[in-house]
Amino acid sequence: DAKTTQPPSMDCAEGRAANLPCNHSTISGNEYVYWYRQIHSQGPQYIIHGLKNNETNEMASLIITEDRKSSTLILPHATLRDTAVYYCIVKSGGGADGLTFGKGTHLIIQP
Amino acid sequence: GAVVSQHPSRVICKSGTSVKIECRSLDFQATTMFWYRQFPKQSLMLMATSNEGSKATYEQGVEKDKFLINHASLTLSTLTVTSAHPEDSSFYICSATSGDGPYGYTFGSGTRLTVV
Repeated sequence: DAKTTQPPSMDCAEGRAANLPCNHSTISGNEYVYWYRQIHSQGPQYIIHGLKNNETNEMASLIITEDRKSSTLILPHATLRDTAVYYCIVKSGGGADGLTFGKGTHLIIQP
Repeated sequence: GAVVSQHPSRVICKSGTSVKIECRSLDFQATTMFWYRQFPKQSLMLMATSNEGSKATYEQGVEKDKFLINHASLTLSTLTVTSAHPEDSSFYICSATSGDGPYGYTFGSGTRLTVV
């Protein structure tokens, strides 16, 4: 699986959009970009995933660059409950292998 | 959405005893389940992968005789930490997938194990 690079921490004001970047320059053609988050002392929560096209769901939007070497997770209106560690993971489709977690980005939403 | 239940959420045991952690997929059949361990201020580390009805595959450095995994049905996997020691104290998390495609993996809420 391709490796990802994320900033270790970010701050965002409550009510503003939080934009979390992820670099995955060695991504392969069949690898998806997954985003999960982990609130303190809980299991990771799935947020969104995509292959090539931008994706949006009720939680967030995922913007993948045309060359697929980087992506951005957007939380449109951050709340205090969005404070968590956000993990960007690249993996080929299919559920045979476990996910490889990097260090993620600790997003802190400021009141 | 898919739900994975993990039990217990917190357990304290004495050194030398064994502890069993259960992971259940509540509304889907999990052909594959995964077990992770997370030490304080660190990321999740994959310990093992289990498929229903077959032996688990352990990651390098994980002792299979110490961390016994059983995946007896499509909805239940168990992790037994045998002869636990204080260094086994950690946050254990399971995850499940039905393996039908490139969709999200569902995680349990985790088990905080403290060995005293």
